[in-house]
Amino acid sequence: KAGVTQTPRYLIKTRGQQVTLSCSPISGHRSVSWYQQTPGQGLQFLFEYFSETQRNKGNFPGRFSGRQFSNSRSEMNVSTLELGDSALYLCASSFGTATDTQYFGPGTRLTVL
Amino acid sequence: GNSVTQMEGPVTLSEEAFLTINCTYTATGYPSLFWYVQYPGEGLQLLLKATKADDKGSNKGFEATYRKETTSFHLEKGSVQVSDSAVYFCALSDRRGGSNYKLTFGKGTLLTVNP
Repeated sequence: KAGVTQTPRYLIKTRGQQVTLSCSPISGHRSVSWYQQTPGQGLQFLFEYFSETQRNKGNFPGRFSGRQFSNSRSEMNVSTLELGDSALYLCASSFGTATDTQYFGPGTRLTVL
Repeated sequence: GNSVTQMEGPVTLSEEAFLTINCTYTATGYPSLFWYVQYPGEGLQLLLKATKADDKGSNKGFEATYRKETTSFHLEKGSVQVSDSAVYFCALSDRRGGSNYKLTFGKGTLLTVNP
């Protein structure tokens, strides 16, 4: 069974640009969550989508947005990039039920210059 | 709000030594508890989990017991190997709304095992 895949794996952007990251969940999983990992703040929850609806959102500015498609694939968008957005962005998928485990992808390493 | 506190690293051990990484949590209700491991350049892999008090999660020689009375979920391994070198994260899930969709993580503990 294929795991969670994320594309691209590495990305370099400049301040002010926008970026879109993609996540394909494990087959059959309907929930996709996004996390930001930085050395200073650690792992922080961005948002979670289930059946194309955002169910929960973390404490990030509105520049961070996402969506989920009918095949459960998800995209995350960051507009007007700032230097502090440089991070590893991790996506995780699950069935989305009460006692589920989240399975993580390898992440997208975003560098903002 | 929910929070996870795990021991600061780095932790350096010799091969075959005993490992303990402490983890305590603060949560409302009855969270599920997890240990994830991250190898260099990779994402997170689930190591083990426990969903209710007194449950013991185990995998690859690692163990952790959900202790509600001490709000702890300490990770242990009797004999570490060089291949166990990685960053270990303790996490809890927020079951509000009946879903595990939000994980709260500790800061991570870097483990280095020397031959």
